[in-house]
Amino acid sequence: AQSVTQPDIHITVSEGASLELRCNYSYGATPYLFWYVQSPGQGLQLLLKYFSGDTLVQGIKGFEAEFKRSQSSFNLRKPSVHWSDAAEYFCAVAFISNFGNEKLTFGTGTRLTIIP
Amino acid sequence: EAGVTQFPSHSVIEKGQTVTLRCDPISGHDNLYWYRRVMGKEIKFLLHFVKESKQDESGMPNNRFLAERTGGTYSTLKVQPAELEDSGVYFCASAYRGLNEQFFGPGTRLTVL
Repeated sequence: AQSVTQPDIHITVSEGASLELRCNYSYGATPYLFWYVQSPGQGLQLLLKYFSGDTLVQGIKGFEAEFKRSQSSFNLRKPSVHWSDAAEYFCAVAFISNFGNEKLTFGTGTRLTIIP
Repeated sequence: EAGVTQFPSHSVIEKGQTVTLRCDPISGHDNLYWYRRVMGKEIKFLLHFVKESKQDESGMPNNRFLAERTGGTYSTLKVQPAELEDSGVYFCASAYRGLNEQFFGPGTRLTVL
């Protein structure tokens, strides 16, 4: 069965420092991978997605993620964080269900705190 | 263009009561999804509508949960009777075609006392 692991529940980073959020997945077929962000009081916003092609994916707000098939990972990175990046981040994998439809399996999320 | 909206944003009810959550998808989106996040855990799939038909409801926890999408527009998710373990945030998402265009609403936070 498919699963997504985000090993870090909470990360604290200084403003201006670099960031890497880890995501590992388990899925038998070629994965469709996503990173979402949820700011307080907001819905989930798509940061970036990987379907195929270049394994380094660029997203919004200066984020990028790299798909590494050999490590079953899809880590999210940002070279310099801003206070507005404080939020909760979710990694997800899409798969085809037994009903023939697509749906998402999410990780448990990583809460990011930014300190001045 | 308006995004996915959900109502109410918060709901506090007592065990045994009934609550109905509403989701208005983006206009023209045939696909509508419900997800739920119980505190501290992952966001889990509940069900998927294509227009007014339930494509997949394998994630619905039990028969206390009833989802409808009459006319293929907005959807409701009714919990009757509510139990303590139903507390969490319920998200709705819509897509024109498939997950690569999925948009999420802000969620409804349900607290069952």
